[in-house]
Amino acid sequence: DSGVTQTPKHLITATGQRVTLRCSPRSGDLSVYWYQQSLDQGLQFLIQYYNGEERAKGNILERFSAQQFPDLHSELNLSSLELGDSALYFCASSPRTGGGFSTDTQYFGPGTRLTVL
Amino acid sequence: QQQVKQSPQSLIVQKGGISIINCAYENTAFDYFPWYQQFPGKGPALLIAIRPDVSEKKEGRFTISFNKSAKQFSLHIMDSQPGDSATYFCAATFQGAQKLVFGQGTRLTINP
Repeated sequence: DSGVTQTPKHLITATGQRVTLRCSPRSGDLSVYWYQQSLDQGLQFLIQYYNGEERAKGNILERFSAQQFPDLHSELNLSSLELGDSALYFCASSPRTGGGFSTDTQYFGPGTRLTVL
Repeated sequence: QQQVKQSPQSLIVQKGGISIINCAYENTAFDYFPWYQQFPGKGPALLIAIRPDVSEKKEGRFTISFNKSAKQFSLHIMDSQPGDSATYFCAATFQGAQKLVFGQGTRLTINP
């Protein structure tokens, strides 16, 4: 158990809908990362937050957004869902921002499996 | 330049054999190379990692070999066991990157 929790575990929804995925980092970790894992694209970095502030953006669609709250939990919002958004979404956390400490281990949660029908 | 290329996509090894997974990168700014292990239904978990200032790192049955000039690194699993059956991802990052760049993954099956 990594100490990172994600809810829900599974989510089934229809095209055009909006969903929110939730992540609680390990106790004391300030950085939260979101990744998307699909069969054809592998694990792709979406976005990172550090202590409430956005620090880096990867291949994140404009329909997707995220935030990190004062208690350090994070939410990933996916809107106008398309069939191609079906994937596993992972949250990871690390103690500090990767900016100065590339060797900080990222601890991954169990993921949320999103199915868009 | 941000890509990490991983091979093979899948690998079957007999119990007790050596499993070898290879990765190559282009971006010479990468300075940290972790390997993650993922079991079905679970998130990736850090297995072992290396910095480019060393050519090899060993932890138990797992060894990373690193060739800086060739921009390649590989994971060797000695005395492979059925419990090692999982998907393995190599990754790379660098100071300021704020993210991990992952290889495509290798599905390893160890036959008993």
